[in-house]
Amino acid sequence: QVQLQESGPGLVKPSQTLSLTCTVSGGSISSGGYYWSWIRQHPGKGLEWIGYIYYSGSTYYNPSLKSRVTISVDTSKNQFSLKLSSVTAADTAVYYCARGQEGWGQGTLVTVSS
Amino acid sequence: QLVLTQSPSASASLGASVKLTCTLSSGHSSYAIAWHQQQPEKGPRYLMKLNSDGSHSKGDGIPDRFSGSSSGAERYLTISSLQSEDEADYYCQTWGTGLVVFGGGTKLTVL
Repeated sequence: QVQLQESGPGLVKPSQTLSLTCTVSGGSISSGGYYWSWIRQHPGKGLEWIGYIYYSGSTYYNPSLKSRVTISVDTSKNQFSLKLSSVTAADTAVYYCARGQEGWGQGTLVTVSS
Repeated sequence: QLVLTQSPSASASLGASVKLTCTLSSGHSSYAIAWHQQQPEKGPRYLMKLNSDGSHSKGDGIPDRFSGSSSGAERYLTISSLQSEDEADYYCQTWGTGLVVFGGGTKLTVL
């Protein structure tokens, strides 16, 4: 069974870049047919799609975040990553990585504060 | 525009059944969706993928008490024999080329 695990700093300063990595185990990120997503959840709110990447490297982003988001994949490490630039307090959220519709990481809280 | 609409809240008694609804926006009635459960203080858990014809495939370990059905642009999640641990937020999700959309979620209270 595929498992996903987010990692990265839990505290980021305003205006800096948030960087997270999702490590995939139990399956290859290179196997076709899946997209690999980042999703976030503001405190007490619903789920917001950030973007996704195919193993081939094709990326798609939420239009509301597109100017600040980069998602990349490292097939040699079986990982994919999120970078969100110019963060503000409004980017404070739990960030999840996911495989397609079916697999979720446990989530990691990122707080933006000086 | 691809939008999913869910009622903000629902409630039902312990041991009863409840049917949650997710409505696809106009022009998107053929889309499949996924249902996810988020228990308090936990991450989301995939429940099932639900097609427009009502066929569905559940995630590993999802009890038979959870089932899905479809009618037109509506996608349903039925939970029977409600248990206290079913009290949670339920989200529907759909996807298109280059796009993923979540509904606003339904908070289910088990009375």
